[in-house]
Amino acid sequence: DAGVIQSPRHEVTEMGQEVTLRCKPISGHDYLFWYRQTMMRGLELLIYFNNNVPIDDSGMPEDRFSAKMPNASFSTLKIQPSEPRDSAVYFCASSLRLAGSSYEQYFGPGTRLTVT
Amino acid sequence: AQTVTQSQPEMSVQEAETVTLSCTYDTSESDYYLFWYKQPPSRQMILVIRQEAYKQQNATENRFSVNFQKAAKSFSLKISDSQLGDAAMYFCAYRHGGAQKLVFGQGTRLTINP
Repeated sequence: DAGVIQSPRHEVTEMGQEVTLRCKPISGHDYLFWYRQTMMRGLELLIYFNNNVPIDDSGMPEDRFSAKMPNASFSTLKIQPSEPRDSAVYFCASSLRLAGSSYEQYFGPGTRLTVT
Repeated sequence: AQTVTQSQPEMSVQEAETVTLSCTYDTSESDYYLFWYKQPPSRQMILVIRQEAYKQQNATENRFSVNFQKAAKSFSLKISDSQLGDAAMYFCAYRHGGAQKLVFGQGTRLTINP
């Protein structure tokens, strides 16, 4: 399996612009997670989906952030408008819920976002 | 709310020696899972080892093993025969059994000295 795929790997944009981050989970996984990593706050869960349905978006910082999962193999995280404080590494992860398993999450390589 | 604490921001070890990274957590739950993730400079998060709270036996994966002390809420990672490729940030993480959310510690930066 190719693992979790994220694009782009790096994104540099100007303040006020719209940014869209993309994620393809591991085939067959039924959970998808979006995390943000910063020096100040560490790794934070933003939102997660189960079978394409958003389950918990309590970590989404504000209305400028939105996430969608139109099908089992694709998700987007959008920031509109972007601000310098959104600069971070954004990770996508997926997992499979199996009875008796620990449902470990497999992470993508991350997208480093820089907002100038 | 569950919290995970890694009290060692940085650690260093000589190549081929053994190092232990500390992690404590706070929870009132009895059903949970604990994980150690490695983040090398490539920034890819890699699962190193997992421990189910209901298992008394400490998990091992080759050179990596844990010391799980449930009563003390402690979950340390021991790396034996350290290799240069072990240099990375190491994150301890907790997940409640009935939930999907991972709670991460702040991480420990491990340096391997040749």
